[in-house]
Formats: sequence, C-alpha cells, structure tokens
Amino acid sequence: GAVVSQHPSRVICKSGTSVKIECRSLDFQATTMFWYRQFPKKSLMLMATSNEGSKATYEQGVEKDKFLINHASLTLSTLTVTSAHPEDSSFYICSARNGYEQYFGPGTRLTVT
Amino acid sequence: RKEVEQDPGPFNVPEGATVAFNCTYSNSASQSFFWYRQDCRKEPKLLMSVYSSGNEDGRFTAQLNRASQYISLLIRDSKLSDSATYLCVVNRAGANNLFFGTGTRLTVIP
Repeated sequence: GAVVSQHPSRVICKSGTSVKIECRSLDFQATTMFWYRQFPKKSLMLMATSNEGSKATYEQGVEKDKFLINHASLTLSTLTVTSAHPEDSSFYICSARNGYEQYFGPGTRLTVT
Repeated sequence: RKEVEQDPGPFNVPEGATVAFNCTYSNSASQSFFWYRQDCRKEPKLLMSVYSSGNEDGRFTAQLNRASQYISLLIRDSKLSDSATYLCVVNRAGANNLFFGTGTRLTVIP
C-alpha cells in the first residue's frame, strides 16, 4: 500500500505555544490530504480537508484560526495547532488518497501541559 | 442518523473461532466501502476494500449488500494477532472524505 509519514510522532508542549505537524505522502502525489483527531476510545473525527494550492475546508466546529493548514506541495501538508491548550491534547492523524483508497500516517500524539 | 453505524462490541472470541461484523450505512449514494483495522494507539490501516461481488483475502471475507445498505466482514480461524478495532468506512459520491463507523473491538483469547 501507499506510504504516508507524519512527524513528529509525539510532542509535549506548554499551554500557549504552537505546534506544527507534518504529513507527507512518500511514494505518490496527493492533491488532497485529510486531518483527523481521535480522543481515547472514540472514533476518528475529520477536522479538515487540505487541498494543494488552495485553502483548506474545515468541518463544522473546527476553528480555522486555531488549526492552521498549509498544503504547499503535492506531497506535504502541515497542521499547526496555535496557542495550544490542554483540551487540544489528542491523537492527530493525517491521511492521503491514492486512487480511491485512503492511507493514514502513523499519527502524532500531542500532549499540552 | 449516523452516516455509518457499527456494533461497538466488544467481541471476545477464542482462537480458531469465526467472527462476523456488520455495518450499516445511511446514504444510498455511497460508492466505496472499506474495512480498516486500528490497533490501540496506532493509526487505522486499510484491511480491504469491499466490492459489490464480495471479496476474500485469506481468512477475511467482505460482503456488500446495496439493497439493505450493509457491509459485513467475516474472519475465519481467528488468531491472537487479529485482536484490534475494525472500522467500517464509507465514501459517498460527491464527498471527498471518508465516513467512519465507531469501530468494533475484537479480542481473540488464547
């Protein structure tokens, strides 16, 4: 299957700081990438759809000014959690479509203290 | 009504057992169907796509019933390593993203 990488895998930061998460499609080009969040024992929740060369589309209830998404190339999308708070602590997972199948990165576990 | 609904389980089965999961989807315009597997604290991984004619991959068989809008996954000869959460996933026409069920937790017991 296709490979999607994500970096960092774990990050601990203090309240008020910003954290950037990178998502890369390693062996294919992805015009569209997706950012999900998953709380413990809960299902994946789509946060936003990242489109190469244009603005991201955010799901209802997701603040676009807090979760900044940049999709500058066909293989890289970034999610920046700005002014992080403890309630932002979660597992953030990106994914990219290759054909009609969707592959996930390994996820980033964010802990805000 | 949720886009995709699954029995959350948990299903606890002995090694060697056969176990089946069902999933229903609400939108008849749905086009693509998948089963993903997610291990604890890991990302979902594509297990198999589900085709109208049904498909099999080793011990795993997936079926799609469009008339009833449900999808099934059958696991034969369960292994300890099959313990995971199985996610039913649907892609709807006109929607770029996937819709996930809440997942069904399977534990295979020695």
